[in-house]
Amino acid sequence: IQMTQSPSLLSASVGDRVTLSCKAGQNINNYLAWYQQKLGEAPKLLIYNANSLQTGIPSRFSGSGSGTDYTLTISSLQPEDVATYFCQQYNSWTTFGGGTKLELK
Amino acid sequence: QVTLKESGPGMLQPSQTLSLTCTFSGTSLSTSNMGLSWLRQPSGKGLEWLASIWNNDNYYNPSLRSRLTISKETSKNQVLLKFTSMEPADTATYYCARNWDYYWYFDFWGPGTMVTVSS
Repeated sequence: IQMTQSPSLLSASVGDRVTLSCKAGQNINNYLAWYQQKLGEAPKLLIYNANSLQTGIPSRFSGSGSGTDYTLTISSLQPEDVATYFCQQYNSWTTFGGGTKLELK
Repeated sequence: QVTLKESGPGMLQPSQTLSLTCTFSGTSLSTSNMGLSWLRQPSGKGLEWLASIWNNDNYYNPSLRSRLTISKETSKNQVLLKFTSMEPADTATYYCARNWDYYWYFDFWGPGTMVTVSS
């Protein structure tokens, strides 16, 4: 299943509400996860099953969506949130989106 | 505390076979609702799932299935991956990661091991 993330690059200021999008090529039944990857590090799980917050992840991160369209929201951007974010579907095998690079304005 | 760590040769020549080891702690392959997977990421690019092992069942990326073999050594807390006919396009960071609760998301990751294929 093809996963398309947008935008590929996002610039935002500290304190901004940030929204990242992920679109699946077909209905993935909420089997969607979001990961944060900082430069030189392994990915870190943020959200699973579309809207469940992984243990230890700050509550400013949230996930929503259904069917083919999903969103990761950061309610108030912090400097440590600068990273690339990937979505992953696991409804049929598993595939990842191409990523959204989030930088500070 | 769950930890995973990958180990590999670092560099190999085209057509050779890559052998990778994932050594883990704080979790057990004897647990029925847990799997371990291998993924890779070329520098500056996206993530690609390669293979997973759940109990005694193995799963492979259909596009790479003919080149991959995943296995486990339960007593050593290790999962192994063999990847044949390596080419420069296979140059990437290779990760092992845990699947949990029968789902195919990855909740714990190793730091990754860089593999370069070059003559």
